[in-house]
Amino acid sequence: QTVVTQEPSFSVSPGGTVTLTCALASDSVSTDHYPNWYQQTPGQPPRTLIYNTDTRSSGVPDRFSGSILGNRAALTITGAQADDEADYYCVLYMGGGIYVFGGGTKLTVL
Amino acid sequence: QVQLQESGPGLVKPSGTLSLTCTVSGDSITTTHWWSWVRQPPGKGLEYIGEVHHGGRTNYNPSLRSRVTMSVDNSRNQFSLNLSPATAADTAIYYCTRISCSGGGCLYYFDSWGQGSLVTVSS
Repeated sequence: QTVVTQEPSFSVSPGGTVTLTCALASDSVSTDHYPNWYQQTPGQPPRTLIYNTDTRSSGVPDRFSGSILGNRAALTITGAQADDEADYYCVLYMGGGIYVFGGGTKLTVL
Repeated sequence: QVQLQESGPGLVKPSGTLSLTCTVSGDSITTTHWWSWVRQPPGKGLEYIGEVHHGGRTNYNPSLRSRVTMSVDNSRNQFSLNLSPATAADTAIYYCTRISCSGGGCLYYFDSWGQGSLVTVSS
């Protein structure tokens, strides 16, 4: 069973910068996993933010950026705003049509 | 702009079959994309269930493979999920999604989501 780990929670001040990460328990995350990131607010379906490691989905502000940092995928929010408060999920593609979600990070902006 | 809409019973009895259908509009299900299901138990995280292609090929989450069947109805532009036998642990919001693929290959992400359908497994 593949386990993808994210920080359970994170806090950032308005205008601040925060980096959320996505790790594999038994391997390094690379571009071969096509890391993607989703934002979910209460009562809503997930919204696609980043795909293929660092490509922003249509309409996503450029304060959201994706990268590989060391052996993890990362989502950086630069200049956080109040409406960035949400749950963030990463997904890794493991091959063979198998995708694994991370447990999600609850981001608080205060 | 593609739109996806889940439909199906909101209540399923334990040991019964959880069945959902996703109706696709604004795109043909017979394109190069794959179509998938993701679920979210109340207050918990997201879980990939599996994917289906219009030609009938499927890939399932290994943890659910023994209980899951996905199919497509090209004439109705729909795809479906069956999960049996259902247990209380299958209580969740079920989302249908599109996985972005083109002639050049797939980008391996969920580019469109339905609004979700809550299914409760209870007697």
